[in-house]
Amino acid sequence: AQTVTQSQPEMSVQEAETVTLSCTYDTSENNYYLFWYKQPPSRQMILVIRQEAYKQQNATENRFSVNFQKAAKSFSLKISDSQLGDTAMYFCAFMKNQFYFGTGTSLTVIP
Amino acid sequence: GAGVSQSPSNKVTEKGKDVELRCDPISGHTALYWYRQSLGQGLEFLIYFQGNSAPDKSGLPSDRFSAERTGGSVSTLTIQRTQQEDSAVYLCASSLELAGGRGEQFFGPGTRLTVL
Repeated sequence: AQTVTQSQPEMSVQEAETVTLSCTYDTSENNYYLFWYKQPPSRQMILVIRQEAYKQQNATENRFSVNFQKAAKSFSLKISDSQLGDTAMYFCAFMKNQFYFGTGTSLTVIP
Repeated sequence: GAGVSQSPSNKVTEKGKDVELRCDPISGHTALYWYRQSLGQGLEFLIYFQGNSAPDKSGLPSDRFSAERTGGSVSTLTIQRTQQEDSAVYLCASSLELAGGRGEQFFGPGTRLTVL
């Protein structure tokens, strides 16, 4: 079975600074997908970024980028120029035939 | 465009009562998931439906939980004889395809269930 681990239950960052959220996973699969989802206080889960395991290039979406280390089974999320609206729970997810989610990291952006 | 919708948004019930939670996925999405999210916790997988295949019920916590998906579209999650530990937010998600696809899940806003 696949497992996803987010070892940082809570984090905070000053507005405009950069923060990195960690995620590791365990799998014997070679082809799969990885995701970061954001859940603000409104409760609506929103996709932040996606990475295909067969791609070596790290995915980037505006201020959000990932550091995908396939051999190390690591998939960290970097948020640059943090904004107050980035305050949310962030979930890392692994997908191969089914989704597996980490327990989340609560990020607070401090003004 | 229309996203995933869930109803009701909030449900308060008494212990021992049955409840039904509804999910309307995005039209054309073949995969549908139910998750449970307890306060401050991650997502606990409950069940998923993929096309006409038999659903994967491996995440259902007890036989009081069941789900149906009619006509490959709307899904209903039923909890019988509710207990206080069933109190949580129940999230539904749908995706266009599963195996071999890009697999992005689109989530509904959830139903907050409170069992008194």
